[in-house]
Amino acid sequence: SQTIHQWPATLVQPVGSPLSLECTVEGTSNPNLYWYRQAAGRGLQLLFYSVGIGQISSEVPQNLSASRPQDRQFILSSKKLLLSDSGFYLCAWTMGSLSGNTIYFGEGSWLTVV
Amino acid sequence: GENVEQHPSTLSVQEGDSAVIKCTYSDSASNYFPWYKQELGKGPQLIIDIRSNVGEKKDQRIAVTLNKTAKHFSLHITETQPEDSAVYFCAAPKAAGNKLTFGGGTRVLVKP
Repeated sequence: SQTIHQWPATLVQPVGSPLSLECTVEGTSNPNLYWYRQAAGRGLQLLFYSVGIGQISSEVPQNLSASRPQDRQFILSSKKLLLSDSGFYLCAWTMGSLSGNTIYFGEGSWLTVV
Repeated sequence: GENVEQHPSTLSVQEGDSAVIKCTYSDSASNYFPWYKQELGKGPQLIIDIRSNVGEKKDQRIAVTLNKTAKHFSLHITETQPEDSAVYFCAAPKAAGNKLTFGGGTRVLVKP
């Protein structure tokens, strides 16, 4: 069966420090991968998605970047964090087009920028 | 692009009563509509989904209905229990796309 892991689960970082959140999917190949952000008590905002190694699409201009160095690995990064980057970050995956496939989420990473 | 609106934003029900959450979407070509349940501090989990070739789908106490003409779909939870308390999200994809647009979420509280 397929599983998705993301880490760290919680992170407290000072303003201006770098960020790296990692996500891996097991039990499948060539998945579509996604990073979502959820502000406290709010909905899900798509940040990045990737349909293959090295292929990244950005949904909103921001202080973050994403990379996909391996087929089942997706990394969310920042060189200098802002207070507004605080939130709950969710990695997700699906196979093929979303028109017929379920998207599965990881357990999330809580980021607090202080 | 796809726009998904979800109502209500909060819903308080007495244990044993029913809860209904409604979503509308804008892209008439959308053909897959999942519902997710998110418990505090966890990632959303799929609870039920429906495809555009059916009008209703049931799974024990939960059901989803779809009206493609009106472009809305609803989640129905019957005989609610305290463990149904969570935030629920509807979603719809762009047709043949790789992205899922979520509604704003509904915080459901089931009072014992």
